[in-house]
Amino acid sequence: AQSVAQPEDQVNVAEGNPLTVKCTYSVSGNPYLFWYVQYPNRGLQFLLKYITGDNLVKGSYGFEAEFNKSQTSFHLKKPSALVSDSALYFCAVRSGGYNKLIFGAGTRLAVHP
Amino acid sequence: DTAVSQTPKYLVTQMGNDKSIKCEQNLGHDTMYWYKQDSKKFLKIMFSYNNKELIINETVPNRFSPKSPDKAHLNLHINSLELGDSAVYFCASSRGLASADTQYFGPGTRLTVL
Repeated sequence: AQSVAQPEDQVNVAEGNPLTVKCTYSVSGNPYLFWYVQYPNRGLQFLLKYITGDNLVKGSYGFEAEFNKSQTSFHLKKPSALVSDSALYFCAVRSGGYNKLIFGAGTRLAVHP
Repeated sequence: DTAVSQTPKYLVTQMGNDKSIKCEQNLGHDTMYWYKQDSKKFLKIMFSYNNKELIINETVPNRFSPKSPDKAHLNLHINSLELGDSAVYFCASSRGLASADTQYFGPGTRLTVL
């Protein structure tokens, strides 16, 4: 069965420092991977996705993610964190033929001034 | 312009009542979804419709009945509400079922059952 794991409940970063939010996956076949962000009391916003091609995927708000097949990882990164990046981040993998998304448990990112 | 909208935003009701949540998308998408986010923020798919046809039903109690009157709308009706139904319900839509088709989410409906 397809699954994703986000090993960190929370990540704390100082503003201006690089950030990484980790995600590992388990799939049979080709992985289709997504990152979403949820701000307080808001819906999920799409950040980026990996379908095929370049291992480094660029997305919204300066975020990028690196697909690593050998490590079955899809970590979310940003070179310089902003306080406004503080939110809940979800990694997801597509499962099956009907575009069902399986979400990780989420990682809360806190960026401190 | 709101791409995926849901009404109401908040819903507070008593156990045993019946309630509905509505979802509309103006993206011209063929596929719509309902997800449930529990108190621990865990997100799980409930249903999916493609061209008004039910294609995913994730072992949800039959008190939950989705209805898609057209491709732009997917409503969720819940009968005999229970305390455990308290959650945030998100609607989403995608262009179709292709692997590259991104799902876009609505703002959510926070349901509280007392």
